Amino acid sequence: EPEVTQTPSHQVTQMGQEVILRCVPISNHLYFYWYRQILGQKVEFLVSFYNNEISEKSEIFDDQFSVERPDGSNFTLKIRSTKLEDSAMYFCAAEDVPAGGLNEQFFGPGTRLTVL
Amino acid sequence: GEDVEQSLFLSVREGDSSVINCTYTDSSSTYLYWYKQEPGAGLQLLTYIFSNMDMKQDQRLTVLLNKKDKHLSLRIADTQTGDSAIYFCAERDDKIIFGKGTRLHILP
Repeated sequence: EPEVTQTPSHQVTQMGQEVILRCVPISNHLYFYWYRQILGQKVEFLVSFYNNEISEKSEIFDDQFSVERPDGSNFTLKIRSTKLEDSAMYFCAAEDVPAGGLNEQFFGPGTRLTVL
Repeated sequence: GEDVEQSLFLSVREGDSSVINCTYTDSSSTYLYWYKQEPGAGLQLLTYIFSNMDMKQDQRLTVLLNKKDKHLSLRIADTQTGDSAIYFCAERDDKIIFGKGTRLHILP
């Protein structure tokens, strides 16, 4: 079964540094998402992406965050200047049709980001 | 705003039934989901129920939906050690709104 992969599995960085989290979605999927889960808290929606544009973003997704799909395969989440509170597990998800229907979002295994 | 609440821990003896409960707030949700997360793995869609249904059975899994009370439950019959995981309740109108997850621990 095709799967979503994410790299790295664990990223440790110093506060203020930039990080890029990478996701390789399933090849025929067109809708992409980032979620995050701070330890002990809920999985929270960050952003959705379709046709090289952000479709929706949450309040969490401020100017420090950006997403892109530069080469038509990798889907990246960049945090420009990391803060301690950015430490979380970041999940990428991919879907093949628009939101609202029962079309499963396939999730990657996550990248654990630790900001020191 | 939208919110999904569920208990954080559940311990069940192997062979017994597990029941994980969830409440949600958004009455316009089209689908309600249960996701499973095993250690080191991503979120796997376990089962779902459409908002106009009140029950769905899928092998050992039974989902009950009470729309009036906005209450969703997942029953796992004959719980096995392989069922040990975190189970997330989620609702969806557009994006997915998750609960905090219930960690299911299986006792021998």
